[in-house]
Amino acid sequence: DSGVTQTPKHLITATGQRVTLRCSPRSGDLSVYWYQQSLDQGLQFLIQYYNGEERAKGNILERFSAQQFPDLHSELNLSSLELGDSALYFCASSVAGSGTDTQYFGPGTRLTVL
Amino acid sequence: GENVEQHPSTLSVQEGDSAVIKCTYSDSASNYFPWYKQELGKGPQLIIDIRSNVGEKKDQRIAVTLNKTAKHFSLHITETQPEDSAVYFCAAQLNSGYSTLTFGKGTMLLVSP
Repeated sequence: DSGVTQTPKHLITATGQRVTLRCSPRSGDLSVYWYQQSLDQGLQFLIQYYNGEERAKGNILERFSAQQFPDLHSELNLSSLELGDSALYFCASSVAGSGTDTQYFGPGTRLTVL
Repeated sequence: GENVEQHPSTLSVQEGDSAVIKCTYSDSASNYFPWYKQELGKGPQLIIDIRSNVGEKKDQRIAVTLNKTAKHFSLHITETQPEDSAVYFCAAQLNSGYSTLTFGKGTMLLVSP
């Protein structure tokens, strides 16, 4: 158990809908990362937050957004969902989020868009 | 940006054999190389990492080697066991500012009893 928690474990929804995925980092970690894992694209970095501020952006679509709250938990919002958004979404956390911090991954949320 | 290539995509071995997974990276400024193991239905778990000031690191049956000149690094698992069966990912990261991890596509390792 990495200490990173994610809810829900599974999410099934329809095209055009909006969902929110939640992540709680390990105790003491200030940085949160979001990744998308699909069969053809592998693990793709989406976005990173550090102590409430956006720190780095990867291949995140404009339909997707995230935030990190004062208690350091983070939410990833996915809107106008398409079939291709079906994937595993992972959250990871690290102590500081700079240099070569070790990232610890949560168990993921499996999103299915029908 | 950084690009990480990983080979092979699948690897089948007999229990007790060794397994080697290789990765190459493109950005010579990368200097942190973690390896993650992902079991079915779970998130990636860090199993070993190496920084560019070290050529080799070992932890029991697992070792990682790094060749900075050739820009490649490898994961070696000795005396494989069925519980080693999983998908293994390599990754590379720059040690500057707020750089992020770039992952390889993964290797599915199957260890047969």
